[in-house]
Amino acid sequence: GENVEQHPSTLSVQEGDSAVIKCTYSDSASNYFPWYKQELGKRPQLIIDIRSNVGEKKDQRIAVTLNKTAKHFSLHITETQPEDSAVYFCAASFDQGGSEKLVFGKGMKLTVNP
Amino acid sequence: NAGVMQNPRHLVRRRGQEARLRCSPMKGHSHVYWYRQLPEEGLKFMVYLQKENIIDESGMPKERFSAEFPKEGPSILRIQQVVRGDSAAYFCASSPVGGGYTFGSGTRLTVV
Repeated sequence: GENVEQHPSTLSVQEGDSAVIKCTYSDSASNYFPWYKQELGKRPQLIIDIRSNVGEKKDQRIAVTLNKTAKHFSLHITETQPEDSAVYFCAASFDQGGSEKLVFGKGMKLTVNP
Repeated sequence: NAGVMQNPRHLVRRRGQEARLRCSPMKGHSHVYWYRQLPEEGLKFMVYLQKENIIDESGMPKERFSAEFPKEGPSILRIQQVVRGDSAAYFCASSPVGGGYTFGSGTRLTVV
């Protein structure tokens, strides 16, 4: 069935360190993998996404990698800042009978200590 | 573009009452999705709609929950006879065809 696993569930780093969040997905047909950032009490906001025809994508301090063979994808944040503190969700698209939807991981709470 | 508009932001209902949550998608978006988020948890898919059609309701509880997206007006998520376990944040998202989601600010439902 549709499943996205995300780990770790929490991560605490010092300002300036890097943070890595890893996700796995179950459906080999998934072809779209977005990452969302959710601050406390606010909406999830798209920060970066990758499609299955690309192995890596970078946007300033954020990069995402995709390994389709292993069904893994990861988010890398470099030079972390206190404002990066939030919950980060990965997601994968699932197409079931013509209905494409996103299935989300359980999230990872990142704390960046100044 | 006003983004995805959800209202109300906060809704308090007594057990047994009905809750109606509204979502207006972004201009140009034809797909609407509803997700439920319990405290400290992830986003659980509930239903995917297009105008006048329910495309996928595999995440909807079998009873008390219904959704619609009429030809005119917002999408509505309706919860009848609410129970304490329905307390959660309900997020709506919209997308264009083949595009990524934009989420609304959510409705935080509290059942007392």
